Amino acid sequence: NAGVTQTPKFRILKIGQSMTLQCTQDMNHNYMYWYRQDPGMGLKLIYYSVGAGITDKGEVPNGYNVSRSTTEDFPLRLELAAPSQTSVYFCASSYGTSGGTDTQYFGPGTRLTVL
Amino acid sequence: GDSVTQMEGPVTLSEEAFLTINCTYTATGYPSLFWYVQYPGEGLQLLLKATKADDKGSNKGFEATYRKETTSFHLEKGSVQVSDSAVYFCALSDPPGFQKLVFGTGTRLLVSP
Repeated sequence: NAGVTQTPKFRILKIGQSMTLQCTQDMNHNYMYWYRQDPGMGLKLIYYSVGAGITDKGEVPNGYNVSRSTTEDFPLRLELAAPSQTSVYFCASSYGTSGGTDTQYFGPGTRLTVL
Repeated sequence: GDSVTQMEGPVTLSEEAFLTINCTYTATGYPSLFWYVQYPGEGLQLLLKATKADDKGSNKGFEATYRKETTSFHLEKGSVQVSDSAVYFCALSDPPGFQKLVFGTGTRLLVSP
C-alpha cells in the first residue's frame, strides 16, 4: 500500500512553459485535493475532486487546471508557468465521510521552481 | 471566512522539556479541529483531531483539547524528544458540505539533545 504518490519530486521550469504534476492514490479514496505551500505559509487549496469526473476550484485556482478521469489519479496542469507559481505542491486524498471529520493523507510533495 | 492562527516559530526546546503550541480559530459553523505534522522532506500527516467541544485528541504523547469557549486547540506534550523536531500545523474543517481544510501557517519545533 503506497498511499499517495507524487511525481516528479523536483522540477525547474522556465517562464511560459507547461507541465503536469502527477498524483496517484491506492486507497480507493473518493476525495482528492491539490494544495500549494509557500515558504512560511500554511497550505492553500488549489483544486479538489469528490469523485471521478467531478472537480471544483479551491482558494487559489488561477493558472492551474485539473482532471479526474479515474478514482486513483488526479493530475494538476500548469499551462503557462509564472514565477508566482514557485512553491511546494502537495496532493492529498480522503474517504469523504460526512461531518468534516475526514483524515486527509498527503503525498511527499513536488518542489517547483519557475525561473 | 474561516481562519486559523498559530504562534510564530521557531520554538526551540531542550529534550524532555514541556511543549505548548498555541492555536486559535475563527469559524462560521461548528468545526472539526486537527493537528498535522510535517517532518523534514515529507508530506503532512495527521497527528490528532477532535470533532466536538471538550474532546481531547491524543497521539504519540501529544494532546490537544477542543475549547469552544476560547476557540482554541493548543497542542501540548509533556516531554519532547529530538525526533519531535518538525513543523506543526493546526487546521479546521467547517461542515456542512465539503472536507476543505483551512490551515494555520505552521510552527517549527526544534528540539536539541
